[in-house]
Amino acid sequence: AQSVAQPEDQVNVAEGNPLTVKCTYSVSGNPYLFWYVQYPNRGLQFLLKYITGDNLVKGSYGFEAEFNKSQTSFHLKKPSALVSDSALYFCAVRVPLPSSGGYNKLIFGAGTRLAVHP
Amino acid sequence: KAGVTQTPRYLIKTRGQQVTLSCSPISGHRSVSWYQQTPGQGLQFLFEYFSETQRNKGNFPGRFSGRQFSNSRSEMNVSTLELGDSALYLCASSFLPGLTDEQYFGPGTRLTVT
Repeated sequence: AQSVAQPEDQVNVAEGNPLTVKCTYSVSGNPYLFWYVQYPNRGLQFLLKYITGDNLVKGSYGFEAEFNKSQTSFHLKKPSALVSDSALYFCAVRVPLPSSGGYNKLIFGAGTRLAVHP
Repeated sequence: KAGVTQTPRYLIKTRGQQVTLSCSPISGHRSVSWYQQTPGQGLQFLFEYFSETQRNKGNFPGRFSGRQFSNSRSEMNVSTLELGDSALYLCASSFLPGLTDEQYFGPGTRLTVT
């Protein structure tokens, strides 16, 4: 089955330290991967995506993600965390629907809550 | 450019009633998707519309339905509300519903069923 896993429910980081939010995927075919962030009482905001090419993808707010095909991972990273980065982070993958004439669907992970402490 | 807008932002209904939620996508975006978000189940896909056609549907009962208009605006309807329908309903739009297209989300409609 095609899926996305975020193995950590919560990640705690001190402000100024690097942060990593983990994501692994299981898809057949090429993975099209996305990261979104959700602040309290808000919708999701798009951070970055991996389609093809360079394994290191840069996105909004200083975030980047590293695609690793052999480990089927797409971890989100930031060199120096800010308290304002505290939020819920979702990894997602777009997969084609078989025999659908080109339709696809977006599958989300369960989310990881990032808490950055002063 | 204005973002995705959803109305209403908050709604309280009683069991058995029905509700209609509205979503206006970003100007020029033709694909609209709906998601239900709950603490227990996370983000679950409801349906996706493109050019007024439902392209994909999640695993929800027939009480959940939607439509898209010619201006790309979309509505979703839930009939015979149950307590378990209490959730944040998110709408997302993208230019096209392609594999590489990111979605832009609205702020959501918080539905409470009592």
